[in-house]
Amino acid sequence: NAGVTQTPKFQVLKTGQSMTLQCAQDMNHEYMSWYRQDPGMGLRLIHYSVGAGITDQGEVPNGYNVSRSTTEDFPLRLLSAAPSQTSVYFCASSYDLAGEETQYFGPGTRLLVL
Amino acid sequence: GNSVTQMEGPVTLSEEAFLTINCTYTATGYPSLFWYVQYPGEGLQLLLKATKADDKGSNKGFEATYRKETTSFHLEKGSVQVSDSAVYFCALKHSGNTGKLIFGQGTTLQVKP
Repeated sequence: NAGVTQTPKFQVLKTGQSMTLQCAQDMNHEYMSWYRQDPGMGLRLIHYSVGAGITDQGEVPNGYNVSRSTTEDFPLRLLSAAPSQTSVYFCASSYDLAGEETQYFGPGTRLLVL
Repeated sequence: GNSVTQMEGPVTLSEEAFLTINCTYTATGYPSLFWYVQYPGEGLQLLLKATKADDKGSNKGFEATYRKETTSFHLEKGSVQVSDSAVYFCALKHSGNTGKLIFGQGTTLQVKP
């Protein structure tokens, strides 16, 4: 199993540009999430999904869109990039087994918005 | 609301020293608690977890005990190695809140030979 994969690893955007961060998992996990990591702030939840066709907002959803058309993929879209979205983005997947859930993280995408 | 607070870093220790990284949480009910580790340039890996009060999670010589009375989940290791240098994150998840972890701000550990 490849686990959770993310592409690209690094991206530079200009303000106002759009892009999609890709996330895929091959573990057949029901749940997928996107976090952003900023210095001194830990990881904050952007959006999450509890299954194909179902998404919901996390703590910091503004400026980001998601969709979940398949179990495997959970892309994160930046419609109009802003310097405040400069961050490291992590995708995670998980499943719930008898009330216990552990999230598995991808390697991250480092995004710089100029 | 729910939150996690970790001790400020960075923490600098000599090899074979004892490590404690404090973590306290605010939450209603009985959340699950986790420690994740992030090595330089990598994503987060689960280090250990505990799902109910008084549970002790352990892995790779690290331990943490879920203390509901003090709302704490401190990470400890008896003898650190240079290879333990990383950022450590404490996190919580409410039962039923699938896919949603709440993280502390992270604590950087540097171990010197």
